[in-house]
Amino acid sequence: NAGVTQTPKFRVLKTGQSMTLLCAQDMNHEYMYWYRQDPGMGLRLIHYSVGEGTTAKGEVPDGYNVSRLKKQNFLLGLESAAPSQTSVYFCASSYYGTSENIQYFGAGTRLSVL
Amino acid sequence: GQQLNQSPQSMFIQEGEDVSMNCTSSSIFNTWLWYKQDPGEGPVLLIALYKAGELTSNGRLTAQFGITRKDSFLNISASIPSDVGIYFCAGVSAGYGNKLVFGAGTILRVKS
Repeated sequence: NAGVTQTPKFRVLKTGQSMTLLCAQDMNHEYMYWYRQDPGMGLRLIHYSVGEGTTAKGEVPDGYNVSRLKKQNFLLGLESAAPSQTSVYFCASSYYGTSENIQYFGAGTRLSVL
Repeated sequence: GQQLNQSPQSMFIQEGEDVSMNCTSSSIFNTWLWYKQDPGEGPVLLIALYKAGELTSNGRLTAQFGITRKDSFLNISASIPSDVGIYFCAGVSAGYGNKLVFGAGTILRVKS
């Protein structure tokens, strides 16, 4: 069972380059999320989506864009990467954004911006 | 900013010892979740708590939803080397749009 799959697993970028991180889930979940994880700060929400074709800003959205063209996929884009975006990025999905909101996470993408 | 205060930040314990960590907030939460993250992996759900006062076990793990709904703790009994990792608390609150709010994590290292 695949669950939540993130590609790529690792990437090194130069400042100013662009890239797209792909998240795919096979659980038919409505909600999808992108987080970044930095040492000592836990996970911070970048953007999220409550359904196909919809996206919303999270806690730290600046410098990122997202798209949810298909229910199973959620893309995170960096248009012009900066060293401050060096981080580990996690995608998650959940059935609904109810008060239970159990989210299932991918294995992460480790991004370094030089 | 961080709405959940998780402590301790890190622990280095002897194999076989019991471990305790907690999470507190100034806000009320409807749900408390505890996740574990193994090195190089994403967080995996350990325990979910939905009611104030609820005490739930999962093998050697026990977690409680605080009566005030502003805190939760996680206990691990008889720790083993595979308990190594980062443990995160996470809360769900209507005040935050039912989105997950994470603590900064507790890094657990076990001496064998």
